[in-house]
Amino acid sequence: DAKTTQPPSMDCAEGRAANLPCNHSTISGNEYVYWYRQIHSQGPQYIIHGLKNNETNEMASLIITEDRKSSTLILPHATLRDTAVYYCIVRVWGYSTLTFGKGTMLLVSP
Amino acid sequence: EAGVTQFPSHSVIEKGQTVTLRCDPISGHDNLYWYRRVMGKEIKFLLHFVKESKQDESGMPNNRFLAERTGGTYSTLKVQPAELEDSGVYFCASSQGGRGYTFGSGTRLTVV
Repeated sequence: DAKTTQPPSMDCAEGRAANLPCNHSTISGNEYVYWYRQIHSQGPQYIIHGLKNNETNEMASLIITEDRKSSTLILPHATLRDTAVYYCIVRVWGYSTLTFGKGTMLLVSP
Repeated sequence: EAGVTQFPSHSVIEKGQTVTLRCDPISGHDNLYWYRRVMGKEIKFLLHFVKESKQDESGMPNNRFLAERTGGTYSTLKVQPAELEDSGVYFCASSQGGRGYTFGSGTRLTVV
């Protein structure tokens, strides 16, 4: 699986949009971009994934650059409960495993 | 639907003892994974079942760890004998197809 690079930490004010970047410059054509998060003391939680088109669901939006070398996860209206470590992972669609890096610690403050 | 359930949530055992962790995946999910996070480290893959078969066990640290999934339903992960470095949080996840995994809340294992 391709390697990803994320900033170690970010801050966001409650109610504002949180934009979490991820670089994956060695991504292959058949690799998807997945985002997970881990809230303290819980298991990782799936957020969203995409291949090359932008994606949106009830939790977040995923913007992937045209060259697919980077992406941004957007939480449109961050709440205190969004404070977590966010992981950007690239992997082939199917049954391959997840390779977790260090992720980005997002702190949402009042 | 019920999520992935792990038992126990916490376990404290002495070095040299045996511990068995259990994972009940989401019903109908063929894929079951074990991951763990040891203190200060990243979450690491341990192994992957497809139904009752071990698809990939490349992440198992050594032969003190034994995972089973009889009948392709729940899975157990046994550590025998436990060592201090086995302390950490053990996560189980399940999936169907290539969709996102659903993780359990984990079992926090402390070996003293």
